Amino acid sequence: RKEVEQDPGPFNVPEGATVAFNCTYSNSASQSFFWYRQDCRKEPKLLMSVYSSGNEDGRFTAQLNRASQYISLLIRDSKLSDSATYLCVVNIFPYGSSNTGKLIFGQGTTLQVKP
Amino acid sequence: DGGITQSPKYLFRKEGQNVTLSCEQNLNHDAMYWYRQDPGQGLRLIYYSQIVNDFQKGDIAEGYSVSREKKESFPLTVTSAQKNPTAFYLCASSPLRDSAYEQYFGPGTRLTVT
Repeated sequence: RKEVEQDPGPFNVPEGATVAFNCTYSNSASQSFFWYRQDCRKEPKLLMSVYSSGNEDGRFTAQLNRASQYISLLIRDSKLSDSATYLCVVNIFPYGSSNTGKLIFGQGTTLQVKP
Repeated sequence: DGGITQSPKYLFRKEGQNVTLSCEQNLNHDAMYWYRQDPGQGLRLIYYSQIVNDFQKGDIAEGYSVSREKKESFPLTVTSAQKNPTAFYLCASSPLRDSAYEQYFGPGTRLTVT
């Protein structure tokens, strides 16, 4: 089983739609959670960190469910410019050890927003 | 401007040659990382370093080598021992402070070996 799993998509949605991406992680020692965005042939860019209480940044909302080991990203009012691959990312280190900052990246979910 | 630079953007080499990819950051980050990404696949960790003069192997270190002589620089050498070197190579850095372990990426180097 992969440490971080995402539905690869692609998700094809019309402009203005609301779309949700899900991600599951297998290691309960996971400490920090992020969503990154990667445009075609470009580097990943940090979209937002994910906090236990959930957090929102404009049209983007991230949720974390530690009990179910599940992370989600909701995009409201999709824009053409939202078309990209969204990477679910987890920082894992065993309790009691030092954090090396290693991140585990999911394979990404591709979103295509159509006019 | 603060950021991470990688050079060159595109690199072409003949099989059997070693090649060194540059990564420099002026963000004063302690940790630096090298990943490779193959088409349609996720990022895989090659090497990482949390402090100058120290580094650790990632998940796919075979055929690669690194050095960390300065905090700002973390060059990656792709040796002739790497079986499938053609890939998109990404360098990242992280502040490793408090609970902030997010990584910031350079623009990447596309290496093609023929």
